[in-house]
Amino acid sequence: NAGVTQTPKFRVLKTGQSMTLLCAQDMNHEYMYWYRQDPGMGLRLIHYSVGEGTTAKGEVPDGYNVSRLKKQNFLLGLESAAPSQTSVYFCASSHAGNGQPQHFGDGTRLSIL
Amino acid sequence: QQQVKQSPQSLIVQKGGIPIINCAYENTAFDYFPWYQQFPGKGPALLIAIRPDVSEKKEGRFTISFNKSAKQFSLHIMDSQPGDSATYFCAASKGDDKIIFGKGTRLHILP
Repeated sequence: NAGVTQTPKFRVLKTGQSMTLLCAQDMNHEYMYWYRQDPGMGLRLIHYSVGEGTTAKGEVPDGYNVSRLKKQNFLLGLESAAPSQTSVYFCASSHAGNGQPQHFGDGTRLSIL
Repeated sequence: QQQVKQSPQSLIVQKGGIPIINCAYENTAFDYFPWYQQFPGKGPALLIAIRPDVSEKKEGRFTISFNKSAKQFSLHIMDSQPGDSATYFCAASKGDDKIIFGKGTRLHILP
């Protein structure tokens, strides 16, 4: 059972380039989330989805877009990467909201030069 | 506005000691308080969680103490081991709202 799988694990981009981070979960979870983790800042929510075809903004959504075309996949896009987006990105999923544990992937380490 | 304040930022404890990590929250509507553990190179994983209707919850060597009137909760690790060295995040949420995480505590247990 793979749980939550993030692709790629590492990536280096130049300023202005675009890319998409893929998150896939095999637990039939309704809710999916994208976080970024920066030193001393904890986990900050970028966007989330409460079901297939739905998305919503989190705490730090600017510069990112998401799509949830299939229940098992949640994509995070950077249209024009900036150095401030250098971070470790985590995807998570859960059965529902409150009281349900979030299952995290192992992260994507992204560097923007 | 940070809704969950976590302290300390880092903590070093001798093996066998009892590290204590504290969190304070502002929103009295929060009704779910989980702790997550993260090892280097891995994603966070749920460690233990508590609801505000109880003052303490134990799972193995990990204990959450909850003080509703003070709006504070803490994680205690009994008989700490080097393998407990990790980053710990407290969090809070209400209803189906998204979870609010603290900024994390880097714990190092000396052998």
